[in-house]
Formats: sequence, structure tokens, C-alpha cells
Amino acid sequence: AIQMTQSPSSLSASVGDRVTITCRASQGNRNDVAWYQQRPGQAPKLLIYAASSLHSGVPSRFSGSGSGTDFTLTISSLQPEDFATYYCLQDYNYPRTFGQGTKVEIK
Amino acid sequence: EVQLVESGGGLVQPGGSLRLSCAASGFTFSNYWMTWVRQAPGKGLEWVANIKEDGSEKNYVDSVKGRFTISRDNAKNSLYVQMNSLRAEDTAVYFCARDLSPCFNSTTCYDAFDIWGQGTMVTVSS
Repeated sequence: AIQMTQSPSSLSASVGDRVTITCRASQGNRNDVAWYQQRPGQAPKLLIYAASSLHSGVPSRFSGSGSGTDFTLTISSLQPEDFATYYCLQDYNYPRTFGQGTKVEIK
Repeated sequence: EVQLVESGGGLVQPGGSLRLSCAASGFTFSNYWMTWVRQAPGKGLEWVANIKEDGSEKNYVDSVKGRFTISRDNAKNSLYVQMNSLRAEDTAVYFCARDLSPCFNSTTCYDAFDIWGQGTMVTVSS
């Protein structure tokens, strides 16, 4: 199975900061990566699919990039509602695999 | 309103069985791949299984192969997972999710779980 290694596992940031989360795949997978946001006690929400396609209704401050083995989720200006845990997911082959998550906390 | 509602979770002894259901409403269920994802207490997300629109293709994570069976009833707008030989490590919240399956150039399709249920808790313990 493809392993998705996310970094950092947690970070502290302030409102207005630019935040970058990375995911490295153990083998190349084109651009078959999605990103999800999960707030405590809630189901995950889709942010990005196909590495860089913004899901409908997701604010434009979220963006994704990358291909092959290295992928990035960027939040251009962190908002209070963005404090949550973020997961990458590879859908290049089976079984699908998530990264271990990055918790974004308030500084 | 487009929604998914899971049910069937509970406490079960190791080695026992449980069947989870996911009721879909507000969209044409038979047009979408569907997925189960789970989350152990305090842990990250784990993809469990998915099933094609017509049920003709199913995929599983290795840890549940031979023990879990995903299925669907398009006439009832429902997704299921039959879980047998349950282990303590199966303890988790189980989410069902709709896969938007966006495609580019009619050839390359991606996973995109755009609608999720609220989850149902499964606890495997004696």
C-alpha cells in the first residue's frame, strides 16, 4: 500500500498566517491526492481533489499543488474556522490511504 | 437535502458480527460510488472499502478483507457493511461517504468524498 507521510503532525499559527501542509507518497501517484478538513466531533469535509481542484463552495484561500510524490495544501490567510485537522488521501491505487493528519492550532 | 445517515453501531464482543447501514437521500444514489471510512478513538482516518454504482466492483483495505463485506441496495438507497469476526482494533466511528468521482477528459477519474454521514460508533470489547 502507498504510504502517505504528512508533515508537520501539528502546527500553531495565528489568524492571517499563511499555512502549508505537505504530504509525501511512498511511490509516485500522478496527481491522485485529495485533502480533507475535520473539525472535532464532525465528519471530514472535502477541500481539494486531483491535487489542485478546489471543491465547490470551499473558500479560495485553500489551494493544493503537487504531483508524483510531493503534495501541498496551502491556506493563504488562516481564518478562525480553519483551526482543525487536515488529512491527505491518495486515490491512485487500492487500498486508498490517508496521511496521519496535521492538527492546526491557535497560537 | 442531500444527506447520508448511518445506523447499526453498538457494542459487540470480539468475534461477533454487526451490520452497518447508510441511508441516502436527496440525490440519485445509484449514480455514485460509495465508501466506508473509519476513525478509531483519538486517531486518524482509515479508508475501509468502496463499491461501484451497480455493486459490480468492491475494494477493501487488507485488514478487513475476508471479514467485512460491503454491499448496496439501490432500490432502497442504502449502503451496507457486514462486519464479521470483529476485533478490538475495529473499534471506531464508521462514516459512509459519497464519491463524486470527478473525471477529466472522460478518462481519468478521481475520488472526491463530498457528502459524509455523521458516523456510527462501533465498540468491540468483552
